[in-house]
Amino acid sequence: DTEVTQTPKHLVMGMTNKKSLKCEQHMGHRAMYWYKQKAKKPPELMFVYSYEKLSINESVPSRFSPECPNSSLLNLHLHALQPEDSALYLCASSQERTGPLNQPQHFGDGTRLSIL
Amino acid sequence: AQSVTQLGSHVSVSEGALVLLRCNYSSSVPPYLFWYVQYPNQGLQLLLKYTTGATLVKGINGFEAEFKKSETSFHLTKPSAHMSDAAEYFCAVSFNFGNEKLTFGTGTRLTIIP
Repeated sequence: DTEVTQTPKHLVMGMTNKKSLKCEQHMGHRAMYWYKQKAKKPPELMFVYSYEKLSINESVPSRFSPECPNSSLLNLHLHALQPEDSALYLCASSQERTGPLNQPQHFGDGTRLSIL
Repeated sequence: AQSVTQLGSHVSVSEGALVLLRCNYSSSVPPYLFWYVQYPNQGLQLLLKYTTGATLVKGINGFEAEFKKSETSFHLTKPSAHMSDAAEYFCAVSFNFGNEKLTFGTGTRLTIIP
């Protein structure tokens, strides 16, 4: 069983909808990540939070809005998405951000998002 | 530019046969190397990692990988394939202590033939 829990597992939304993805971990990790993965492709980093502060934004469009309410929770707010945003969205966590020894090693199972 | 290349987008082996998945990296500084596995409809699971020290790294599920600096390689092996090994495998690399970004290879889909 994964120690990073993502909800919902599947989400279908229209281009005008507003929805949110949720990620939760209780391992005491202080760094959390959002990745986007298209079919048959590797994951692409979107955002990194370290100690509840946004530390990396990989030039992600503003229709994706991350939020880290506390050290255990990470949200991704979605608004006015495009069909090309359909993908698997993965959350990950690690002990801390700095250093390769603390690379994201715990991934959730993802939310499969479909934009109509 | 730093990069990682996985040779072979699809690999098929018979059950019980040797598994060999290839990964080569390009870097002017010592790399930190990882192998992840992704089963259908799941996230990524860390199989093993190389940072410093012993070049032969053992991971979970009977997998191991050897860091060969002279060949800039980090190939993943398993002596005897099992049906449950069927999955997508990603090699990943990061560079410079303090850089938490992972660069993933394009992935290799492993199929096990009964």
